[in-house]
Amino acid sequence: TQLLEQSPQFLSIQEGENLTVYCNSSSVFSSLQWYRQEPGEGPVLLVTVVTGGEVKKLKRLTFQFGDARKDSSLHITAAQPGDTGLYLCAVSGNTPLVFGKGTRLSVIA
Amino acid sequence: DADVTQTPRNRITKTGKRIMLECSQTKGHDRMYWYRQDPGLGLRLIYYSFDVKDINKGEISDGYSVSRQAQAKFSLSLESAIPNQTALYFCATADTGELFFGEGSRLTVL
Repeated sequence: TQLLEQSPQFLSIQEGENLTVYCNSSSVFSSLQWYRQEPGEGPVLLVTVVTGGEVKKLKRLTFQFGDARKDSSLHITAAQPGDTGLYLCAVSGNTPLVFGKGTRLSVIA
Repeated sequence: DADVTQTPRNRITKTGKRIMLECSQTKGHDRMYWYRQDPGLGLRLIYYSFDVKDINKGEISDGYSVSRQAQAKFSLSLESAIPNQTALYFCATADTGELFFGEGSRLTVL
């Protein structure tokens, strides 16, 4: 059983569109991280959310942690080609970070 | 220069060969990790180390071994490579929660 389920697995959109990707689990977490991985590089941390219901914004990216701390969403407004990449959510408890399988986003100019 | 450096970046080898992937870091972090990335399977933890005297197995440690030679160095070995070990391998370091990744080592086992 996958600890973290990310959806959709793939997403291809036109520049300027909005999108939301999801990270879901049946477990409760103390915190959740979102990473972005660009082709040929390692993942880079975007944000950490720790409080149920928390909303964090990073320019055009909005991250939300579910009230029950079991799920999270990432919303991108007016997507740009530079947003293309693999978006990974990750959680940790008593063990090192466990990653979801990711959402691969392609933004077409 | 990168804070987390992996060598080699690309390697093609044959079944049965011994392979070592090396990782060095300049961030001064105690915690180091090796992950494997396969298409559709995400990042899976192979081994991790919280200091030079600490080695822990991850989710998929079979067929791999590691050595923590110093705080800054963590190497991953495949004693006898097999084709299903073909993958992209990432080293990462951490101080607290955030992981800092290297650029990856792409290994192909023929």
